[in-house]
Amino acid sequence: DIQMTQSPSTLSASVGDRVTITCRASQTISSWLAWYQQKPGTAPKLLIYKASILASGVPSRFSGSGYGTEFTLTISSLQPDDFATYYCQQYNDYRTFGQGTKVEIK
Amino acid sequence: QVQLQQWGAGLLKPSETLSLTCAVYGGSFSGYYWSWIRQPPGKGLEWLGEISDRIGTNYNPSLKSRVTISLDTSKNQFSLRVNFVTAADTAVYYCARGLMLGPHFDYNGLDVWGQGTTVTVSS
Repeated sequence: DIQMTQSPSTLSASVGDRVTITCRASQTISSWLAWYQQKPGTAPKLLIYKASILASGVPSRFSGSGYGTEFTLTISSLQPDDFATYYCQQYNDYRTFGQGTKVEIK
Repeated sequence: QVQLQQWGAGLLKPSETLSLTCAVYGGSFSGYYWSWIRQPPGKGLEWLGEISDRIGTNYNPSLKSRVTISLDTSKNQFSLRVNFVTAADTAVYYCARGLMLGPHFDYNGLDVWGQGTTVTVSS
């Protein structure tokens, strides 16, 4: 099984901050990685797929990078709507989610 | 605009069978991966499995013995069954569609989600 580890688990930030979340895979997954945003009481929303491709309708302040085992999600300038929990998901071998990173207001 | 609407029993007793259905509205049904994901209270997401009319089923190896996902192409619906539930199966269950792209119709994450169904297992 491929394990996905996100860091940090919680991140405190202010509006306008640049925010970076890391996701590490226990073995190489090429570029087969997606990022999701989830707000309380709602279903996750796809932000990025294939490590760096922005999903339809996602603001350009979100970006993804990485290959192999290490990946990052960056929010260039945090907006009030971005306070949420973020998950990575590998889809190289079955599908596995990371444990999540909560972005909270500082 | 594709929409997923899901339903099923919300309260179960231990050892019973969880059964949920997800209907697909407004888009093509054939060729996609149709998936189930769950989220225990206060915890992260767990992929349960997926089904495609072209490829078949894939299951999370840790749950494979208790999980069955099926397809009803005549109704544009897919279903989840989890046998012998325990309190550990208490979660919000989501259905979702796999984003399929490219000439090889590669899976690229989950782009459309149902509203979620809360399932509680309690004696």
